Amino acid sequence: AQSVSQHNHHVILSEAASLELGCNYSYGGTVNLFWYVQYPGQHLQLLLKYFSGDPLVKGIKGFEAEFIKSKFSFNLRKPSVQWSDTAEYFCAVTGGSTLGRLYFGRGTQLTVWP
Amino acid sequence: DAGVIQSPRHEVTEMGQEVTLRCKPISGHNSLFWYRQTMMRGLELLIYFNNNVPIDDSGMPEDRFSAKMPNASFSTLKIQPSEPRDSAVYFCASSYGPGRGQSEQYFGPGTRLTVT
Repeated sequence: AQSVSQHNHHVILSEAASLELGCNYSYGGTVNLFWYVQYPGQHLQLLLKYFSGDPLVKGIKGFEAEFIKSKFSFNLRKPSVQWSDTAEYFCAVTGGSTLGRLYFGRGTQLTVWP
Repeated sequence: DAGVIQSPRHEVTEMGQEVTLRCKPISGHNSLFWYRQTMMRGLELLIYFNNNVPIDDSGMPEDRFSAKMPNASFSTLKIQPSEPRDSAVYFCASSYGPGRGQSEQYFGPGTRLTVT
């Protein structure tokens, strides 16, 4: 089965700082990769996804992520965060199952101070 | 499309009562997932269906929990009897299943359950 690790549980930044959130997974086969965001009191929304092709994926709101297959990683980045980026961020990966199941990391809480 | 629809949005009940949560997936999606989210345990997958058939219910905490999907447009998650430790936000999500090559899940707004 797949496992997903998000090493940063809580990240605190000031506005305009750069962001990188780590995500590593265990399954070595073909995977699809996702980052979801959950704003306070809301449901999970898709931020970006990778299925194939260019390993550098651009998502909404200036976020991007890079798939590095050799490192089993899919780190999320943003060059300059805003107060409105305060949220919880979840990395999710498919595993050996082909039935659409996603394996989620524990999430990283990002707090941005104005 | 209206997205994934869940009802009720909030539920407050007393310990021992039966609770039924409802979900309508996005039309055309054939996989449906039930998650529970708490501060202590994070986001947990409880059960998921593909083409209305339960595929994996290993995340269901115990026999008090049951889920059904009688047709492609409706699913329920039932807790009977409910306990205070069941208090959580329950999310339903849907996606295209195998054969479409896509596994992006769309989440509903969630049901916030409080058991007193």
